[in-house]
Amino acid sequence: NAGVTQTPKFRVLKTGQSMTLLCAQDMNHEYMYWYRQDPGMGLRLIHYSVGEGTTAKGEVPDGYNVSRLKKQNFLLGLESAAPSQTSVYFCASSPNFLRQGGWGNQPQHFGDGTRLSIL
Amino acid sequence: RKEVEQDPGPFNVPEGATVAFNCTYSNSASQSFFWYRQDCRKEPKLLMSVYSSGNEDGRFTAQLNRASQYISLLIRDSKLSDSATYLCVVYQDDKIIFGKGTRLHILP
Repeated sequence: NAGVTQTPKFRVLKTGQSMTLLCAQDMNHEYMYWYRQDPGMGLRLIHYSVGEGTTAKGEVPDGYNVSRLKKQNFLLGLESAAPSQTSVYFCASSPNFLRQGGWGNQPQHFGDGTRLSIL
Repeated sequence: RKEVEQDPGPFNVPEGATVAFNCTYSNSASQSFFWYRQDCRKEPKLLMSVYSSGNEDGRFTAQLNRASQYISLLIRDSKLSDSATYLCVVYQDDKIIFGKGTRLHILP
């Protein structure tokens, strides 16, 4: 059982280059998320998706785009990479638990991260 | 006041000791609470959910104090392998909020 798989694991880009990070989950989860984690900042939500074909902005969406064409995949794109986007990126997924009044109590499952350096 | 706050530590604790740390949250309407563990350069992994009545999983005990708006994690008989960063996570309305984590070092 692979769970949540992220590719690539590492990447070095030059400023201005573009790339796409792929997240795949095999747990049939409805919800998927992209986070970045920087020293002293904790995990910050970039974008998330509550189902196939839907996406929404998180806390720090600028400079990123996402797509959820298939339920099991959630792609994070950087159109023009900047040094400020150097970070560790984590993808996560969770079951469909959003109900009236807010989130339920289903935890998230994380991929093992992508280390991205922008020079 | 920050939405979710944790003492960053590090907590340096001798092996076998008991250690506890708290996580405070600002929104009284927060609905769900979790503790995650994150090892250096690894992904966060769910340690345990936090239930209103408190819950225990082996050496770990989690508690919720809604009146004072904090959750706590107690680790008994600490092991070297417990060294990690512990993240609290709070769900409220349409947001999932992570604390910045508390670093724990278990000393031999």
